[in-house]
Amino acid sequence: QLQLVQSGAEVKNPGSSVRVSCKASGGRFGRFAMSWVRQAPGQGLEWMGGIVPLFGSAIYAEKFQDRVTISADESRDTGYMDLRGLTSDDTAIYYCARMMVTLGGVIHYGLDVWGQGTAVTVSS
Amino acid sequence: EIVLTQFPATLSLSPGERATLSCRASRPISNSLAWYQQRPGQAPRLLIYDASNRATDIPARFSGSGSGTDFTLTISSLEPEDFAIYYCQQRQETFGPGTRVEIK
Repeated sequence: QLQLVQSGAEVKNPGSSVRVSCKASGGRFGRFAMSWVRQAPGQGLEWMGGIVPLFGSAIYAEKFQDRVTISADESRDTGYMDLRGLTSDDTAIYYCARMMVTLGGVIHYGLDVWGQGTAVTVSS
Repeated sequence: EIVLTQFPATLSLSPGERATLSCRASRPISNSLAWYQQRPGQAPRLLIYDASNRATDIPARFSGSGSGTDFTLTISSLEPEDFAIYYCQQRQETFGPGTRVEIK
């Protein structure tokens, strides 16, 4: 059964950058399509962006447009999320999730497989 | 940007009761809506995709309906493990603020 395995917890200084990786395990990804979602302590879910290489470049939530880069290595079934200019407000759990896109490129609206989450703490 | 509103913010019910959760979009989104359940300390779990299709291994007591701007998630008879927070999401992008289903 497909699982998404994320990289480990990170502690970062303000102003620095973080990279979180997300690799498919236990099965093939299928049509590669990945979203990134974060959750600050005690808060709700916040969509950051996503990538479907079939459709071109990544798309980002306006809030993160200038600070985040989402990329993918389809040959490794791995996605990456880079976040720059970290502040304490970026302290959160970061999740990757598979977007439901068929091999033929049909989109179904839902994120059906989630990673375990990566805790990122920003503190001096 | 499309904004999602969920109501009520909190639903207090007893096991066996029916739960009705609502999600409203600021503009029509056809059937491009998903519902998720999140238990404490866990990643979200997809319940419903494309507004009304149950995801793999989701029990039949969960159902979704709606199109355009108004959507509903119904849990026909609450089980103890259903007490959690539920989120809607439009077009695999923005999420609603969530509805907490708590034990009365």
